[in-house]
Amino acid sequence: SQQGEEDPQALSIQEGENATMNCSYKTSINNLQWYRQNSGRGLVHLILIRSNEREKHSGRLRVTLDTSKKSSSLLITASRAADTASYFCATDWGDSGGYQKVTFGIGTKLQVIP
Amino acid sequence: DAGVIQSPRHEVTEMGQEVTLRCKPISGHDYLFWYRQTMMRGLELLIYFNNNVPIDDSGMPEDRFSAKMPNASFSTLKIQPSEPRDSAVYFCASSLVGGFLGYTFGSGTRLTVV
Repeated sequence: SQQGEEDPQALSIQEGENATMNCSYKTSINNLQWYRQNSGRGLVHLILIRSNEREKHSGRLRVTLDTSKKSSSLLITASRAADTASYFCATDWGDSGGYQKVTFGIGTKLQVIP
Repeated sequence: DAGVIQSPRHEVTEMGQEVTLRCKPISGHDYLFWYRQTMMRGLELLIYFNNNVPIDDSGMPEDRFSAKMPNASFSTLKIQPSEPRDSAVYFCASSLVGGFLGYTFGSGTRLTVV
C-alpha cells in the first residue's frame, strides 16, 4: 500500500511551542499534501509540496520533503490552541495520464494546551 | 462559494435499508471524490469522477455500493442494503486539475447503521 504513515500518532504540546509531525510513504510521488481536520469536520488543505521541491512555507507552517528517504515533515511554529486538530499527509502517486492515485495517512492528533 | 455541500449531516438507519448520500461540488471543479473515514481504516478512496464520468471505482467495497454523477453539480453515493459495518463518516471532495492543487472537502455525512 502507498498509504502514508504519520508519526507520532498523537502529540501534546504547550501553546507557543513548535509541533513537528512526520510522514513516510512507500513509492515515488508527484506531490505530497498536508491537511488538517478539526473534530467533526471535513479536511482542510494546508499546503502542497511537489516532488522536485525540498521545502515550502506558508505562514506558521513549514513543510520539508526528502524523496530519497520517502518522508516529509510538517512544522507548526508558535502553536495556538486553535491548532488542535488531526493532521494528515496525502501522497499523490498518480500516473502521467492524470489519473488520480491519492492516499491519506492515518493522521497525527495534535493537542495544544493553552 | 459555499464550498462542497453534503447532505444529510447525520443519518441513522436500520440494517437492510437503502441509504443515499448527496454531494454538490464546487462549481467549476471537474473532479469529484467519495471517501470513507473510520477509526480502523482511516480515509479510504471509494470512487472518483472526472467530468461526471467514473474513473476509478476500485475502492468501492462491494456491489452494495454505487455512485452516480448525473451532472456537474450533483453526485450520490448509495448503499443498498446497508449493514452495520458500513457505519462511518463519508466525505465528498472536489478539485480542479485532478487535485494537483489540493482537494476541497465537504463536512461529511456520519452514517450509523443499527
